[in-house]
Amino acid sequence: NAGVTQTPKFQVLKTGQSMTLQCAQDMNHEYMSWYRQDPGMGLRLIHYSVGAGITDQGEVPNGYNVSRSTTEDFPLRLLSAAPSQTSVYFCASSHGGTGVYGYTFGSGTRLTVV
Amino acid sequence: AQTVTQSQPEMSVQEAETVTLSCTYDTSESNYYLFWYKQPPSRQMILVIRQEAYKQQNATENRFSVNFQKAAKSFSLKISDSQLGDTAMYFCAFMKQGETSGSRLTFGEGTQLTVNP
Repeated sequence: NAGVTQTPKFQVLKTGQSMTLQCAQDMNHEYMSWYRQDPGMGLRLIHYSVGAGITDQGEVPNGYNVSRSTTEDFPLRLLSAAPSQTSVYFCASSHGGTGVYGYTFGSGTRLTVV
Repeated sequence: AQTVTQSQPEMSVQEAETVTLSCTYDTSESNYYLFWYKQPPSRQMILVIRQEAYKQQNATENRFSVNFQKAAKSFSLKISDSQLGDTAMYFCAFMKQGETSGSRLTFGEGTQLTVNP
């Protein structure tokens, strides 16, 4: 049981480059989310999905795109990387929307944009 | 919009002693959930404890317990018999109840706890 798998674990990008952060879960969770973690700011929600084909914006969506074509996968795309997107990114999933079952987080991706 | 505030950026405690981490939140909702997450140096986010707002009884999980004061919008975490493995960043988080809100956790800034031998 792998849980939530994020790849890559580390990435360095040049300003203006694009890339996709991958997130996959094998628990058949309906809910999936992307957060970014910055020092002194906790985790902030970027985008989330309540099921395949359904996505919505979170608190800090600018500069990021998502899609959810399957229940298992929820990739996060950076279209044109900027230094302000240097951060640690976490993907999380949950079975149902009540929080009763808790959230499972991936191990994070540390992204540096130079 | 909800906000979560952790006013203690850093705390330290001696091994085997008790420590309390503070968290306050602001919301107009009456039904919600509160969580404490632990993030050790491995970076993994680990759920420590959760509290449903409609329950008056404080949640407990082994050495971890909360003091939930709904009227004061306060949700503190008490760690008893602190262990070296408790050294981590601790995040308080809020989630509004509801199917469409199920993926929207609002986190505090975090408290770095160090347990000293």
